[in-house]
Amino acid sequence: AQKITQTQPGMFVQEKEAVTLDCTYDTSDPSYGLFWYKQPSSGEMIFLIYQGSYDQQNATEGRYSLNFQKARKSANLVISASQLGDSAMYFCAMSLTGGGNKLTFGTGTQLKVEL
Amino acid sequence: GAGVSQSPSNKVTEKGKDVELRCDPISGHTALYWYRQSLGQGLEFLIYFQGNSAPDKSGLPSDRFSAERTGGSVSTLTIQRTQQEDSAVYLCASSLAYRSASGNTIYFGEGSWLTVV
Repeated sequence: AQKITQTQPGMFVQEKEAVTLDCTYDTSDPSYGLFWYKQPSSGEMIFLIYQGSYDQQNATEGRYSLNFQKARKSANLVISASQLGDSAMYFCAMSLTGGGNKLTFGTGTQLKVEL
Repeated sequence: GAGVSQSPSNKVTEKGKDVELRCDPISGHTALYWYRQSLGQGLEFLIYFQGNSAPDKSGLPSDRFSAERTGGSVSTLTIQRTQQEDSAVYLCASSLAYRSASGNTIYFGEGSWLTVV
């Protein structure tokens, strides 16, 4: 069975600084996808970025980039130039290609951006 | 609609009553998922539907939970004889395809907040 681990329950970052949110995963399946979602206090899950297990390059989406280290089974999210609106809960998730898009989530990291 | 729509957004019910939660996925999305997020817990997969295939019910916590999807679009999650431990946010999501190696993005609704008193 697959597992996602997020070891940082809470993080603080100064506005305009970069921050890295950690995520490690465990699966024996060679084909999988890794996702990051943002959940503000309103409750909606907002898709941020996706990385496929066979992708050669790290995924980037605007200020978000995914530092994918396959050998270490890590998929850390890097947010550059943090903004106050980035304050939210961030979830790392994984799906197995052979299992449809059924997601397994980590426990999340609460990010607080400060002035 | 533009996004995944869920109703009701908030529901308070008495223990033992049945509740129905509705999800209207993004138009054209063939896959639909239900997840549950309890206070202090992560997100748990409940069930997903893909086209006319039999749904994957492997995440349903008990036989009090059921879901159906009519016409390949709208889905209803039903919880019978609700218990206090059913209090949670129930999130619906949809995506374009199932078994995709390209990682079709899964879009979530804002959730239905259920409180059982």
